[in-house]
Amino acid sequence: GIQVEQSPPDLILQEGANSTLRCNFSDSVNNLQWFHQNPWGQLINLFYIPSGTKQNGRLSATTVATERYSLLYISSSQTTDSGVYFCAVTSNTGKLIFGQGTTLQVKP
Amino acid sequence: ETGVTQSPTHLIKTRGQQVTLRCSSQSGHNTVSWYQQALGQGPQFIFQYYREEENGRGNFPPRFSGLQFPNYSSELNVNALELDDSALYLCASSFSTGNTEAFFGQGTRLTVV
Repeated sequence: GIQVEQSPPDLILQEGANSTLRCNFSDSVNNLQWFHQNPWGQLINLFYIPSGTKQNGRLSATTVATERYSLLYISSSQTTDSGVYFCAVTSNTGKLIFGQGTTLQVKP
Repeated sequence: ETGVTQSPTHLIKTRGQQVTLRCSSQSGHNTVSWYQQALGQGPQFIFQYYREEENGRGNFPPRFSGLQFPNYSSELNVNALELDDSALYLCASSFSTGNTEAFFGQGTRLTVV
């Protein structure tokens, strides 16, 4: 099956810093989503991005499907950005396959 | 438009008991998927329901079973609970089984003692 690897596993930033999270996947995918898991466990949708580039405020994402990776950019980080970020992909089976996540801590 | 809702939010059960978790899909969505997330791990796919039929299953034993109702809400049932079943259970709904965006509920945190 498809393997999803996220890096780095942990990231500590000072408030205001920028960061880049990476997601590599081992095979062609039909869908890719980025999520932020809040402290209560809910997965919040950030981007649905099978290919191309999208931006939403301080966050942006780029997926290069032909090279099997996606990047999530966080600019001017805030303490509220802390949490776990997951990348998840689907193939033709429709199920989401998640990476292990990147745990981000933003210090004031 | 209502989002995905799950109940209960927390649950404590004893080993060997049975549990039922519930999920209401987002308005307009006909597909529900269930995931198990152990501490420190990414969510793992349990199974998916589309128009009341199971449409794919992950690597989980038969004591994990489910239902989908005509209004597309869903239940996850786990029999003969084991300590390792302690986890966050997440429900996701989507417009179809294809390449559409999935939206998650807030999860049910199950503790088996």
